[in-house]
Amino acid sequence: GAVVSQHPSRVICKSGTSVKIECRSLDFQATTMFWYRQFPKKSLMLMATSNEGSKATYEQGVEKDKFLINHASLTLSTLTVTSAHPEDSSFYICSAARSGANTGELFFGEGSRLTVL
Amino acid sequence: SQKIEQNSEALNIQEGKTATLTCNYTNYSPAYLQWYRQDPGRGPVFLLLIRENEKEKRKERLKVTFDTTLKQSLFHITASQPADSATYLCALGTSGGYNKLIFGAGTRLAVHP
Repeated sequence: GAVVSQHPSRVICKSGTSVKIECRSLDFQATTMFWYRQFPKKSLMLMATSNEGSKATYEQGVEKDKFLINHASLTLSTLTVTSAHPEDSSFYICSAARSGANTGELFFGEGSRLTVL
Repeated sequence: SQKIEQNSEALNIQEGKTATLTCNYTNYSPAYLQWYRQDPGRGPVFLLLIRENEKEKRKERLKVTFDTTLKQSLFHITASQPADSATYLCALGTSGGYNKLIFGAGTRLAVHP
């Protein structure tokens, strides 16, 4: 099966600091990865599409300078929440599509819960 | 406006019965629709994909229907078990191949022994 690993699973940070979350596809290559944010009992909200070797595409209303995305290799995308504030506290989830596949299936990481004090 | 609607109220059923969850959408023309399972504090897990030209898809105890006229998908779990208790999300894909998905808020299913 296709496994996506997300790290860290939980992180607590002070307001004003930056936090980096990693998303790795362990046994497949992923040209495209996606980053979501989820509030309790709410839908996954797509934040951005991460493309290997190029700039991420951000959804409307998502600050690209606030949420920095880097997709440096076919197996790793990172999301950095810069100058975090308490309102950035949320559950962040990544997903990856297998390169070359045309099935529409996405493989999700286990999520990262960010708490900003 | 575009909307994806899943019943926000939890669905409670008895073990062994069939659970039916609904996903309705407006102002979308999805090329395919997917269903995912999400457990608390975990990422979603893919269950089934059904394309716009398919009416029904089955996988073990799961069945999905897709009615593009009604703009609705139904997700059935037959012979439900307490282990099926989770939140089930529907997601629309608006073009072929892998592409960004638009998710519904999910319906919580609770299967009681």
